[in-house]
Amino acid sequence: AQSVAQPEDQVNVAEGNPLTVKCTYSVSGNPYLFWYVQYPNRGLQFLLKYITGDNLVKGSYGFEAEFNKSQTSFHLKKPSALVSDSALYFCAVREVAAGNKLTFGGGTRVLVKP
Amino acid sequence: DAGITQSPRHKVTETGTPVTLRCHQTENHRYMYWYRQDPGHGLRLIHYSYGVKDTDKGEVSDGYSVSRSKTEDFLLTLESATSSQTSVYFCAARSDGSEAFFGQGTRLTVV
Repeated sequence: AQSVAQPEDQVNVAEGNPLTVKCTYSVSGNPYLFWYVQYPNRGLQFLLKYITGDNLVKGSYGFEAEFNKSQTSFHLKKPSALVSDSALYFCAVREVAAGNKLTFGGGTRVLVKP
Repeated sequence: DAGITQSPRHKVTETGTPVTLRCHQTENHRYMYWYRQDPGHGLRLIHYSYGVKDTDKGEVSDGYSVSRSKTEDFLLTLESATSSQTSVYFCAARSDGSEAFFGQGTRLTVV
């Protein structure tokens, strides 16, 4: 069965510093990988996805993520964090062969301090 | 939110009563999902659909049923609500090869 792990419940970072949110996954075949962000009392908003091709994926709001097949990781990064990046971030995986299930990690709360 | 509407947005119900949540989408997405979000658990998949009348169970399906009689609507029913089903419920939808789009959520309280 496919699964996703986000090992950090919360990440604290100072504004202007680099931000990294970790994600590892487990699938039996090839993965589709996604990052979403959730602001208070809102639904999830799509940030970026990896389907195939270049391992470095660029997304919305200056975020990027690197797919590492050998480490089964898909960490989210932003070179310079903003206070407005404070939110809940979710990693998700969908196995290509399985097709339909979309599985989410437990979420990581990011707090960017001025 | 990308043409996905959940109703109601808030509901308080009594233990033992049936409850139906509705998800409506306007983009002709093939796949639709119901999740619940609870502190410490992230989003957990309840049921999903891969076409009209085609549904399957997720990881926390006990006590829930779904129906999809037309492409645009995916209904989630709590057959006999319990306090453990107090949660925020999210619907999502996607097309082949695309990311999923989410509704705004329904906050359900079972008293």
